[in-house]
Amino acid sequence: DQQVKQNSPSLSVQEGRISILNCDYTNSMFDYFLWYKKYPAEGPTFLISISSIKDKNEDGRFTVFLNKSAKHLSLHIVPSQPGDSAVYFCAASVAGANSKLTFGKGITLSVRP
Amino acid sequence: NAGVTQTPKFRILKIGQSMTLQCTQDMNHNYMYWYRQDPGMGLKLIYYSVGAGITDKGEVPNGYNVSRSTTEDFPLRLELAAPSQTSVYFCASSDALGGGYTDTQYFGPGTRLTVL
Repeated sequence: DQQVKQNSPSLSVQEGRISILNCDYTNSMFDYFLWYKKYPAEGPTFLISISSIKDKNEDGRFTVFLNKSAKHLSLHIVPSQPGDSAVYFCAASVAGANSKLTFGKGITLSVRP
Repeated sequence: NAGVTQTPKFRILKIGQSMTLQCTQDMNHNYMYWYRQDPGMGLKLIYYSVGAGITDKGEVPNGYNVSRSTTEDFPLRLELAAPSQTSVYFCASSDALGGGYTDTQYFGPGTRLTVL
């Protein structure tokens, strides 16, 4: 049973436009959410996170929105750049769970020049 | 500061062989993790450790063993390799300054393992 779902396997956007990557979760105990970015042949790197007490967190071109009632979060990248082309993983954790993360399958983002 | 290092980068095993995947971190992190990523899938937790001498099972521990004798090292052992263990393996670490669940995990570059 997938507790973190990234239903769209890929997304292609034009450079300079907005990229919106979506993530849904089923476990209502999740209270911390993270996005990781992964380039080929490298390990995932942390991008941005959000606690369940917030509905938005911003870091430069990256903004994560959390809708707890819908169990949905999204990552917005504005403006998108070719270097953003990578696989993006949504992950979630539960307080007191020793930082164990549950990952989605990932979304491959391609930013066209 | 190398972060999290993993060796080897690639390995091909025959069914029934055994091997150890090495993981070392130089950030003095208490928490360490082993994940596997199958094609088109997310990362699944195999084992984790909250400190030297303490390990626990994750979501998919069968066929694997771990040990944590030092803060820096967290090797993953495959005893009888099976084709189902063909995957990319990632080691990660985090500190506990955020109380555990808010800590960023830092990943190694991965080991690509094929079992034939």
